Amino acid sequence: GAGVSQSPSNKVTEKGKDVELRCDPISGHTALYWYRQSLGQGLEFLIYFQGNSAPDKSGLPSDRFSAERTGGSVSTLTIQRTQQEDSAVYLCASSSRGSTYNEQFFGPGTRLTVL
Amino acid sequence: AQKVTQAQTEISVVEKEDVTLDCVYETRDTTYYLFWYKQPPSGELVFLIRRNSFDEQNEISGRYSWNFQKSTSSFNFTITASQVVDSAVYFCALSEVNTGNQFYFGTGTSLTVIP
Repeated sequence: GAGVSQSPSNKVTEKGKDVELRCDPISGHTALYWYRQSLGQGLEFLIYFQGNSAPDKSGLPSDRFSAERTGGSVSTLTIQRTQQEDSAVYLCASSSRGSTYNEQFFGPGTRLTVL
Repeated sequence: AQKVTQAQTEISVVEKEDVTLDCVYETRDTTYYLFWYKQPPSGELVFLIRRNSFDEQNEISGRYSWNFQKSTSSFNFTITASQVVDSAVYFCALSEVNTGNQFYFGTGTSLTVIP
């Protein structure tokens, strides 16, 4: 079956512009995660959605970052007024249930470059 | 403080050699899960294994084996008779039942298997 998909695969933007990154999780997966992977760094947790519960936004680095998940499926991560330090690969993952037990299935990522 | 430490940034081995990737974690929870993921050059992270904190049995899957030792807070990963296809970045991760939603990833170990 289809895995997690993300779009665009690459995004180049100018400093100060807003960007939207999209994630389509595996059908039926109720949990969705966003991570940021910077060069030489591990995966930095950003935000977590589980069903209809309020999202866990504890990992968002600033108020320029926001995310939503419509209809319990597709998610959009928005970065406003992008800065050069926002350049990274943004990874989305989904899992069938949101418990800490379940493995996550990752998408290919969106590589964001802020000039 | 890092909850998951992968001290080896890069490792190179010659094909058919055995290689061990180290992972040390830190947690106060008594119930937690440990994971290994593989990120090949194509970019998508792939789940390899999950262990829970109550099961210290070592596990073997083909050429892969994992050594979980609570006494040293380590969850090391050994590849026997390495192959070129094993070249990837490997991430160790921790999830804590009482923390909730976050998965803590190490910074990864880049393994290059030289033919």
